[in-house]
Formats: sequence, C-alpha cells, structure tokens
Amino acid sequence: DAGVTQSPTHLIKTRGQHVTLRCSPISGHKSVSWYQQVLGQGPQFIFQYYEKEERGRGNFPDRFSARQFPNYSSELNVNALLLGDSALYLCASSKPGPAVNTQYFGPGTRLTVL
Amino acid sequence: SQQGEEDPQALSIQEGENATMNCSYKTSINNLQWYRQNSGRGLVHLILIRSNEREKHSGRLRVTLDTSKKSSSLLITASRAADTASYFCATGLTDKLIFGTGTRLQVFP
Repeated sequence: DAGVTQSPTHLIKTRGQHVTLRCSPISGHKSVSWYQQVLGQGPQFIFQYYEKEERGRGNFPDRFSARQFPNYSSELNVNALLLGDSALYLCASSKPGPAVNTQYFGPGTRLTVL
Repeated sequence: SQQGEEDPQALSIQEGENATMNCSYKTSINNLQWYRQNSGRGLVHLILIRSNEREKHSGRLRVTLDTSKKSSSLLITASRAADTASYFCATGLTDKLIFGTGTRLQVFP
C-alpha cells in the first residue's frame, strides 16, 4: 500500500502570501493530523481531523486552517505568511480505533517564507 | 510547547557501539512512543510502550519506561551507520502527539 503522500515537496513564498498544503492518507485511514516542525525542534501539533470534522487544534493562530474531504485527504491553509512560518509541515494518518493509534507520517512539505 | 526533552541533544558513536537516549516528560501518560527522522524528512514509528509496561524490545531496540520518574530511555544495540538520524519521544492520548526536542544520533562507520 502507498504511504502518506504530501504535496508539494518544497515551496517558497513571500511574507503576506497564503499557502495550501495537501495530504493523502493511507488507504483506510480516516484520521489526519498536521504538525509543524521548525528547524532543530520536535514537531508541534496543529490540527487533527477525523471523519471530516476537526477533533483537535494546537496553539496556532487563526491564520492556520484545515479541512478534510470525503475521500479523507486533507488541506492545510496558512494565510498572511510570516517569516516564522518557515518550517517542515508534516501530515500523519492513522486508523480509527479505541486504543492509541500509530501515526504514519508523510515526507513533509518544506515551506520557506522570504 | 514541547512535552519534554530528550537527552543528550546530540550523540556521536562508532558503528557497533550501543546508543542510549533518554526522554523526560511532564504530564501523566497512557503510553509513550519513539520515532526516528532521517535528515528532516517524515517520521518513522519505532515502538510504543504503554504506561503499565516497564520494558519493551523490538529487534535492536530496547525501550524502558519509568512512570514514577516520568522518563523513558531508548537503547539501540550494535549501531549501524544507517541508524544516523534524529530520535524523538512522543506522548498523547489520541492522535495529538506531543513530541520532545529530539536526540541527533551520528553513527560513524
């Protein structure tokens, strides 16, 4: 089975612009989570979506938004980009279930804001 | 914010040696996971240990958990150059993982 895919791989934007990042989960996975990883730090949780509904949100400003589509793919949108938004954005998917689920990560999108 | 910290921040060893990295966390947990990340790419899940377990093995990996000290350790035995990566511990009740700051492991051939 194909793993989690993300597009684009790299992206360069300027301050004030907006960006849309895309993620396709592993087939059969209905939960998608987004993380931001600034250079030299661990990933930080941004959003979780399950069955097209937001189930969790991290400590990020309203400039960050996301959605999940009927096929369980997801988009992360960031408006009014700041230099500090430069980071690796990771998407992870997992199966639904009562126990804690292993999350499978995509390769990430490297966003550079100039 | 990060859940905790890994220690050391960086570790350099020769192939064949063992590598030990530690993770401390702040809040009560149901489980703790370890992930590996190669060169700023996606994370790969290594092992999950539940709060009622004290030790777990997977191949060359050995993880311990001490909930009284809120700490965990990851031991990689007989390291290989391919083990060069950053290693993160993560905790979370659902799919919202909280990661530590990571240990950068360099294994020299």
